[in-house]
Amino acid sequence: TQLLEQSPQFLSIQEGENLTVYCNSSSVFSSLQWYRQEPGEGPVLLVTVVTGGEVKKLKRLTFQFGDARKDSSLHITAAQTGDTGLYLCAGGSGNTPLVFGKGTRLSVIA
Amino acid sequence: EPEVTQTPSHQVTQMGQEVILRCVPISNHLYFYWYRQILGQKVEFLVSFYNNEISEKSEIFDDQFSVERPDGSNFTLKIRSTKLEDSAMYFCASAGGGYYGYTFGSGTRLTVV
Repeated sequence: TQLLEQSPQFLSIQEGENLTVYCNSSSVFSSLQWYRQEPGEGPVLLVTVVTGGEVKKLKRLTFQFGDARKDSSLHITAAQTGDTGLYLCAGGSGNTPLVFGKGTRLSVIA
Repeated sequence: EPEVTQTPSHQVTQMGQEVILRCVPISNHLYFYWYRQILGQKVEFLVSFYNNEISEKSEIFDDQFSVERPDGSNFTLKIRSTKLEDSAMYFCASAGGGYYGYTFGSGTRLTVV
C-alpha cells in the first residue's frame, strides 16, 4: 500500500511570512499532484509534477518533486489570508487511482 | 472552465435505506472515480471506472456499493443498505488520462441516521 505522509499537520502563520509544507513517501510515484480544499468543497488541482527534481511555480507557490520521485514540497512566499485552506498531496503511478495524504491545514492570520 | 457536477449536495437517510449519488463528469474525460472523505480524515479511493466498467476498487467498495454510467453522461454511486459508518462526503472526479490531474465535484454530504 502506498502511503503519503504530510507535514506539518497544522500550520498557523502571520500574513507576509513564508512557509514550506512537505509530502513524503517510501514509494516511488510517476506523478505527484497538489490540491487545495476549502471546507465543504472538493479538492481543486494546483499542480502536477512528473519529473524527478522538477520545480514548478504558480505565482507565489513553488512546488518541487524530489529527485527520487518519493517526496515533494510546497513553498508559499509572502502568505496571504486567501491562502488559508487544506493542502493535499496525491500520488499516482500509471493509471492507478490517486492516493492522498491527510493534508496540511494552513491558517494565515492578518 | 468545465466542471464536475454532483447531486444532491446533501442527503440524509435512514440506516438500511438505499441511496444513489449522482455525478456528471466532464464530457471529454475518459476516467471516472468516486472518493469519500469521512469528517476530519483523508480522501479515500473507492472505485475507478473506465471504458464502461470498473477498472479498480478499494476494500471499502464492498458488495453494498455499485456504480453505473447509465446514459453516457451521468455516473452514479449506489449504496444498497446504508450503515452509520457510511456517513461522509462523497466526491466524484473525472480525468482525461495520463498525467492530467483530476477534476473533483463539490461533493455530496451523506448523513446516515
